[in-house]
Amino acid sequence: EPEVTQTPSHQVTQMGQEVILRCVPISNHLYFYWYRQILGQKVEFLVSFYNNEISEKSEIFDDQFSVERPDGSNFTLKIRSTKLEDSAMYFCASSEAFSYEQYFGPGTRLTVT
Amino acid sequence: RKEVEQDPGPFNVPEGATVAFNCTYSNSASQSFFWYRQDCRKEPKLLMSVYSSGNEDGRFTAQLNRASQYISLLIRDSKLSDSATYLCVDISGTYKYIFGTGTRLKVLA
Repeated sequence: EPEVTQTPSHQVTQMGQEVILRCVPISNHLYFYWYRQILGQKVEFLVSFYNNEISEKSEIFDDQFSVERPDGSNFTLKIRSTKLEDSAMYFCASSEAFSYEQYFGPGTRLTVT
Repeated sequence: RKEVEQDPGPFNVPEGATVAFNCTYSNSASQSFFWYRQDCRKEPKLLMSVYSSGNEDGRFTAQLNRASQYISLLIRDSKLSDSATYLCVDISGTYKYIFGTGTRLKVLA
């Protein structure tokens, strides 16, 4: 069964550093998403991406965040200057179409020290 | 602000019991929902969809009550493996999911 993959599974970084979280969506999917989940809290939407541009973003997704699809398979989330409060699990998801089921990757646990 | 609210639980039930969770939503225009299941520190996985006609899949039944703006999930004959957090998700209208806080279920032997 096709699945979304994410690397790394755990990233530790120092405050102020840049991190790039990587995702490989399911190959025939056209819509891509990033969500985050702070420990003990709910899953929060960050951004959706279609046709090489952002479809929607939340208020969390400020200028420190960016997304890119650098090639035909990868989808990345960059945090330019990490803060302590960016520590969370980051999930990538993809779907065939906007209203279809989103399949989630296993997540990257980001720890900012 | 459009929200989805859930009782965080935990709901502790014995094996074989029937348990039900509700989820309330604030956006009166919402009409499409999913129930996802999330195991500890894992990704959400789709359990079932909920549209106006409701849905049943084996031991699981989901209903949508638009008049009262809530959806429900009923689990019959609970198994130990049903222990997880159940996430109510509003998928209506925009390019994103709106997640509830989740309801924790513990099925006890």
